[in-house]
Amino acid sequence: DQQVKQNSPSLSVQEGRISILNCDYTNSMFDYFLWYKKYPAEGPTFLISISSIKDKNEDGRFTVFLNKSAKHLSLHIVPSQPGDSAVYFCAASSNTGNQFYFGTGTSLTVIP
Amino acid sequence: ETGVTQSPTHLIKTRGQQVTLRCSSQSGHNTVSWYQQALGQGPQFIFQYYREEENGRGNFPPRFSGLQFPNYSSELNVNALELDDSALYLCASSRTGADTQYFGPGTRLTVL
Repeated sequence: DQQVKQNSPSLSVQEGRISILNCDYTNSMFDYFLWYKKYPAEGPTFLISISSIKDKNEDGRFTVFLNKSAKHLSLHIVPSQPGDSAVYFCAASSNTGNQFYFGTGTSLTVIP
Repeated sequence: ETGVTQSPTHLIKTRGQQVTLRCSSQSGHNTVSWYQQALGQGPQFIFQYYREEENGRGNFPPRFSGLQFPNYSSELNVNALELDDSALYLCASSRTGADTQYFGPGTRLTVL
């Protein structure tokens, strides 16, 4: 049973525009969420996190939004750059657990 | 500060064999988690080690086992390899079990 879902396998965006990657979860006990970026032949790189006490967290060009009532989070990248082309994974955990549950990833292509 | 390292990078084994994968955690981190990432999927949690003790396990059979050493490095052992064990194996370290996890580059295992 997939507790974290990324329903868009791929996304293409023009350079300079906004990229919006979405993630849904089913477990209401999840209270900590992360986004990772992965290039081929490399491990996932941590990008940004958010805890359930917040609804927004910003770090440079990256902003994560959390809507707890909808069990939905999104990652906004503004402006998008060609180097952002990668697979993005969202992950979630609860404070009673020790594992992160990952989505299946969204492949972002930023077109120059 | 040294990041998470894994060895070997690639490995080819035949069905029924045994394999050992290794991971060195990031300095200051005492928790190591192992994940399996099959093609087109997100990472799936295998187990976590905290201060040399197993601290949680995902839905993997007992032929997947691990160790953590006093320096917090870790091994993943897989016995009686099956074709479906072919995947990227990722190691992640963190300060605690529920904290942000930082990944190594992974070991690509191919079972023939």
